[in-house]
Amino acid sequence: SQKIEQNSEALNIQEGKTATLTCNYTNYSPAYLQWYRQDPGRGPVFLLLIRENEKEKRKERLKVTFDTTLKQSLFHITASQPADSATYLCALDKNNQGGKLIFGQGTELSVKP
Amino acid sequence: EAGVAQSPRYKIIEKRQSVAFWCNPISGHATLYWYQQILGQGPKLLIQFQNNGVVDDSQLPKDRFSAERLKGVDSTLKIQPAKLEDSAVYLCASSLGSHNEQFFGPGTRLTVL
Repeated sequence: SQKIEQNSEALNIQEGKTATLTCNYTNYSPAYLQWYRQDPGRGPVFLLLIRENEKEKRKERLKVTFDTTLKQSLFHITASQPADSATYLCALDKNNQGGKLIFGQGTELSVKP
Repeated sequence: EAGVAQSPRYKIIEKRQSVAFWCNPISGHATLYWYQQILGQGPKLLIQFQNNGVVDDSQLPKDRFSAERLKGVDSTLKIQPAKLEDSAVYLCASSLGSHNEQFFGPGTRLTVL
Protein backbone atom coordinates (compact mmCIF):
# COMPACT_ATOMS: atom_id res chain seq x y z
CA SER A 1 0.00 0.00 0.00
CA GLN A 2 1.05 3.61 -0.43
CA LYS A 3 2.35 5.35 2.66
CA ILE A 4 4.08 8.55 3.65
CA GLU A 5 5.56 8.64 7.14
CA GLN A 6 7.28 11.29 9.23
CA ASN A 7 8.99 11.03 12.63
CA SER A 8 6.08 9.95 14.81
CA GLU A 9 7.66 11.24 18.00
CA ALA A 10 7.92 14.93 18.76
CA LEU A 11 11.45 16.28 18.38
CA ASN A 12 12.91 18.29 21.25
CA ILE A 13 16.21 20.05 20.72
CA GLN A 14 18.30 22.79 22.29
CA GLU A 15 18.53 26.24 20.74
CA GLY A 16 21.48 26.54 18.34
CA LYS A 17 21.49 22.85 17.39
CA THR A 18 20.49 21.42 14.03
CA ALA A 19 17.04 19.84 13.79
CA THR A 20 16.66 16.98 11.31
CA LEU A 21 13.20 15.75 10.32
CA THR A 22 12.55 12.65 8.22
CA CYS A 23 9.95 11.90 5.59
CA ASN A 24 9.79 8.37 4.16
CA TYR A 25 7.42 7.11 1.49
CA THR A 26 6.56 3.80 -0.13
CA ASN A 27 4.91 2.92 -3.43
CA TYR A 28 4.94 6.48 -4.75
CA SER A 29 7.01 8.01 -7.54
CA PRO A 30 6.70 11.72 -6.79
CA ALA A 31 7.90 14.30 -9.28
CA TYR A 32 8.54 16.65 -6.36
CA LEU A 33 8.18 16.98 -2.63
CA GLN A 34 7.23 20.02 -0.55
CA TRP A 35 7.75 20.97 3.09
CA TYR A 36 5.31 23.12 5.05
CA ARG A 37 5.27 24.61 8.53
CA GLN A 38 2.07 24.68 10.60
CA ASP A 39 1.56 26.64 13.81
CA PRO A 40 -1.34 25.83 16.18
CA GLY A 41 -4.64 27.20 14.91
CA ARG A 42 -3.21 28.24 11.54
CA GLY A 43 -2.99 26.83 8.05
CA PRO A 44 0.25 25.34 6.72
CA VAL A 45 2.85 27.72 5.26
CA PHE A 46 5.02 26.66 2.31
CA LEU A 47 8.76 26.43 2.98
CA LEU A 48 10.57 24.56 0.20
CA LEU A 49 9.95 22.46 -2.91
CA ILE A 50 12.49 19.93 -4.21
CA ARG A 51 12.17 18.10 -7.52
CA GLU A 52 13.06 14.47 -8.22
CA ASN A 53 16.17 15.47 -10.20
CA GLU A 54 17.48 17.69 -7.36
CA LYS A 55 19.52 16.19 -4.54
CA GLU A 56 19.51 19.21 -2.25
CA LYS A 57 17.82 22.60 -1.86
CA ARG A 58 18.68 25.40 0.56
CA LYS A 59 16.91 28.51 1.79
CA GLU A 60 18.53 30.54 4.56
CA ARG A 61 18.81 28.15 7.56
CA LEU A 62 16.75 25.45 5.88
CA LYS A 63 18.06 22.54 3.82
CA VAL A 64 16.11 19.74 2.16
CA THR A 65 17.48 16.58 0.57
CA PHE A 66 15.60 14.16 -1.64
CA ASP A 67 16.80 10.59 -2.24
CA THR A 68 14.51 8.82 -4.71
CA THR A 69 16.44 5.55 -4.27
CA LEU A 70 15.92 5.48 -0.51
CA LYS A 71 12.46 7.09 -0.97
CA GLN A 72 13.32 9.61 1.69
CA SER A 73 13.54 13.35 2.24
CA LEU A 74 15.41 14.98 5.11
CA PHE A 75 14.60 18.49 6.34
CA HIS A 76 17.27 20.34 8.33
CA ILE A 77 17.03 23.56 10.32
CA THR A 78 20.47 24.81 11.31
CA ALA A 79 21.10 27.14 14.27
CA SER A 80 17.59 26.43 15.49
CA GLN A 81 15.66 29.05 17.46
CA PRO A 82 12.63 28.81 19.78
CA ALA A 83 10.65 30.56 17.02
CA ASP A 84 11.22 27.46 14.84
CA SER A 85 8.96 25.46 17.18
CA ALA A 86 6.02 24.23 15.09
CA THR A 87 4.73 21.17 13.26
CA TYR A 88 6.47 20.43 9.97
CA LEU A 89 4.63 18.62 7.21
CA CYS A 90 6.06 16.93 4.15
CA ALA A 91 3.86 16.52 1.10
CA LEU A 92 4.57 14.63 -2.07
CA ASP A 93 3.16 15.06 -5.49
CA LYS A 94 1.21 12.04 -6.66
CA ASN A 95 2.94 11.73 -9.99
CA ASN A 96 0.86 12.48 -13.06
CA GLN A 97 -2.26 13.22 -11.05
CA GLY A 98 -2.68 16.92 -11.62
CA GLY A 99 -0.47 18.08 -8.79
CA LYS A 100 -2.42 16.29 -6.07
CA LEU A 101 -0.44 16.50 -2.81
CA ILE A 102 -0.35 13.72 -0.25
CA PHE A 103 0.63 14.98 3.21
CA GLY A 104 2.44 13.15 5.98
CA GLN A 105 1.11 13.36 9.51
CA GLY A 106 3.67 15.97 10.52
CA THR A 107 6.46 16.14 13.10
CA GLU A 108 6.19 18.49 16.07
CA LEU A 109 9.45 20.32 16.73
CA SER A 110 10.16 22.04 20.03
CA VAL A 111 13.29 24.19 20.37
CA LYS A 112 14.20 24.98 23.98
CA PRO A 113 16.18 28.12 24.89
CA GLU B 1 -1.01 40.78 -1.06
CA ALA B 2 -4.13 39.49 0.67
CA GLY B 3 -4.04 35.84 1.67
CA VAL B 4 -6.67 33.13 1.40
CA ALA B 5 -9.78 34.08 3.37
CA GLN B 6 -12.08 31.57 5.01
CA SER B 7 -15.25 31.89 7.05
CA PRO B 8 -16.47 31.10 9.55
CA ARG B 9 -13.41 30.37 11.72
CA TYR B 10 -15.37 28.15 14.10
CA LYS B 11 -18.65 26.26 13.83
CA ILE B 12 -20.44 23.96 16.26
CA ILE B 13 -23.43 21.96 15.04
CA GLU B 14 -25.47 18.93 16.02
CA LYS B 15 -25.15 15.72 14.02
CA ARG B 16 -27.50 15.51 11.05
CA GLN B 17 -27.47 19.30 10.65
CA SER B 18 -25.97 20.96 7.59
CA VAL B 19 -23.10 23.44 7.41
CA ALA B 20 -21.35 25.49 4.73
CA PHE B 21 -17.86 26.94 4.55
CA TRP B 22 -16.70 29.75 2.31
CA CYS B 23 -13.30 30.41 0.75
CA ASN B 24 -11.91 33.37 -1.17
CA PRO B 25 -8.57 32.46 -2.79
CA ILE B 26 -5.67 34.74 -3.65
CA SER B 27 -6.53 36.86 -6.68
CA GLY B 28 -5.37 35.26 -9.90
CA HIS B 29 -4.91 31.78 -8.49
CA ALA B 30 -6.48 29.29 -10.87
CA THR B 31 -6.29 26.24 -8.61
CA LEU B 32 -8.30 25.91 -5.40
CA TYR B 33 -8.22 23.04 -2.90
CA TRP B 34 -10.33 21.95 0.05
CA TYR B 35 -8.62 19.81 2.69
CA GLN B 36 -9.86 18.08 5.82
CA GLN B 37 -7.39 17.95 8.72
CA ILE B 38 -8.24 15.73 11.66
CA LEU B 39 -6.36 16.41 14.90
CA GLY B 40 -2.88 14.89 14.82
CA GLN B 41 -2.98 14.16 11.10
CA GLY B 42 -1.84 15.90 7.95
CA PRO B 43 -4.33 17.59 5.61
CA LYS B 44 -6.29 15.24 3.35
CA LEU B 45 -7.40 16.54 -0.03
CA LEU B 46 -11.16 16.52 -0.50
CA ILE B 47 -11.49 18.34 -3.82
CA GLN B 48 -9.34 20.28 -6.27
CA PHE B 49 -10.65 22.85 -8.76
CA GLN B 50 -8.88 24.26 -11.78
CA ASN B 51 -10.75 27.51 -12.49
CA ASN B 52 -14.37 26.36 -12.06
CA GLY B 53 -13.83 22.75 -13.14
CA VAL B 54 -13.21 19.79 -10.81
CA VAL B 55 -9.78 18.15 -11.25
CA ASP B 56 -9.98 15.62 -8.41
CA ASP B 57 -12.77 14.76 -5.99
CA SER B 58 -11.87 11.13 -5.44
CA GLN B 59 -11.77 11.50 -1.63
CA LEU B 60 -14.89 13.63 -1.29
CA PRO B 61 -17.72 11.69 0.44
CA LYS B 62 -20.22 12.64 -2.20
CA ASP B 63 -23.24 11.30 -0.34
CA ARG B 64 -22.90 14.15 2.16
CA PHE B 65 -20.26 16.60 0.93
CA SER B 66 -20.55 18.97 -2.01
CA ALA B 67 -18.43 21.83 -3.28
CA GLU B 68 -18.68 24.42 -5.98
CA ARG B 69 -16.54 27.19 -7.38
CA LEU B 70 -18.74 29.60 -9.24
CA LYS B 71 -17.07 31.88 -11.81
CA GLY B 72 -13.72 30.31 -10.95
CA VAL B 73 -13.13 32.48 -7.88
CA ASP B 74 -14.86 31.92 -4.51
CA SER B 75 -15.78 28.44 -3.38
CA THR B 76 -18.16 26.87 -0.89
CA LEU B 77 -17.96 23.45 0.75
CA LYS B 78 -21.15 21.98 2.21
CA ILE B 79 -21.81 19.04 4.49
CA GLN B 80 -25.35 17.70 4.68
CA PRO B 81 -26.05 15.90 6.96
CA ALA B 82 -23.04 16.12 9.28
CA LYS B 83 -21.72 13.13 11.23
CA LEU B 84 -19.62 13.06 14.39
CA GLU B 85 -16.56 11.96 12.40
CA ASP B 86 -16.72 15.15 10.32
CA SER B 87 -15.29 17.07 13.29
CA ALA B 88 -12.06 18.50 11.88
CA VAL B 89 -10.43 21.63 10.52
CA TYR B 90 -11.40 22.40 6.93
CA LEU B 91 -8.62 24.16 5.09
CA CYS B 92 -8.87 26.00 1.81
CA ALA B 93 -5.74 26.57 -0.28
CA SER B 94 -4.99 28.14 -3.63
CA SER B 95 -2.10 28.15 -6.08
CA LEU B 96 -1.20 29.71 -9.41
CA GLY B 97 -1.21 26.29 -11.04
CA SER B 98 -1.57 22.70 -9.98
CA HIS B 99 2.17 22.13 -9.51
CA ASN B 100 3.00 25.27 -7.54
CA GLU B 101 3.31 26.00 -3.85
CA GLN B 102 -0.02 26.18 -2.11
CA PHE B 103 -1.20 29.07 0.04
CA PHE B 104 -3.50 28.05 2.86
CA GLY B 105 -6.22 29.93 4.66
CA PRO B 106 -6.58 29.84 8.47
CA GLY B 107 -9.16 27.04 8.31
CA THR B 108 -12.60 26.48 9.80
CA ARG B 109 -12.74 24.35 12.92
CA LEU B 110 -15.93 22.25 12.83
CA THR B 111 -17.25 20.47 15.90
CA VAL B 112 -20.15 18.06 15.42
CA LEU B 113 -21.96 17.14 18.65
